[in-house]
Amino acid sequence: NAGVTQTPKFQVLKTGQSMTLQCAQDMNHNSMYWYRQDPGMGLRLIYYSASEGTTDKGEVPNGYNVSRLNKREFSLRLESAAPSQTSVYFCASSEAGPGQPQHFGDGTRLSIL
Amino acid sequence: GENVEQHPSTLSVQEGDSAVIKCTYSDSASNYFPWYKQELGKGPQLIIDIRSNVGEKKDQRIAVTLNKTAKHFSLHITETQPEDSAVYFCAAPAYSGAGSYQLTFGKGTKLSVIP
Repeated sequence: NAGVTQTPKFQVLKTGQSMTLQCAQDMNHNSMYWYRQDPGMGLRLIYYSASEGTTDKGEVPNGYNVSRLNKREFSLRLESAAPSQTSVYFCASSEAGPGQPQHFGDGTRLSIL
Repeated sequence: GENVEQHPSTLSVQEGDSAVIKCTYSDSASNYFPWYKQELGKGPQLIIDIRSNVGEKKDQRIAVTLNKTAKHFSLHITETQPEDSAVYFCAAPAYSGAGSYQLTFGKGTKLSVIP
């Protein structure tokens, strides 16, 4: 049982390049999330998808887009990467509704030069 | 929205001692409080959670307490071991409308257990 799988694990981009981060979960969860983690800032929500077919902005959505491809997959796209987007990106999933624990992948470490 | 404050940001303890991490939250309607442990190079992993109908929950050396009146909750680790060294995050739910819920995370506590 893989849980939440993120690809790639590491990536280096040049400013202005585009990239899609992939996330897939095998727990049949309805809700999925994308976070970024920066030193001293904790986990900040970029976008989330409460259920298949819906997506909503989180705390820091600027510069990103998402696609909920199906119930299993939720991708994050950087259209024109900027150095400020250098971060570790985590995908998570959970059952829908309140009081549901989120399960995280091991992250994508992204550096933008 | 929900605001979660976590203290301390770093904590060093001797092996065998106890560690306590505290969080406060702002939304009195919040009713679910998870704690996550993040080891180096890994994603956060849920270690314990508590719901507002109980004041304390234990799981071996880990316990969480909740004070709804004061709007704070704490993680207690007893008999600390080197493998407890990690970053710990607290979180509280935030309702974002149309039946959608998110988690708002504290900024984390880096725990170092000194052998």
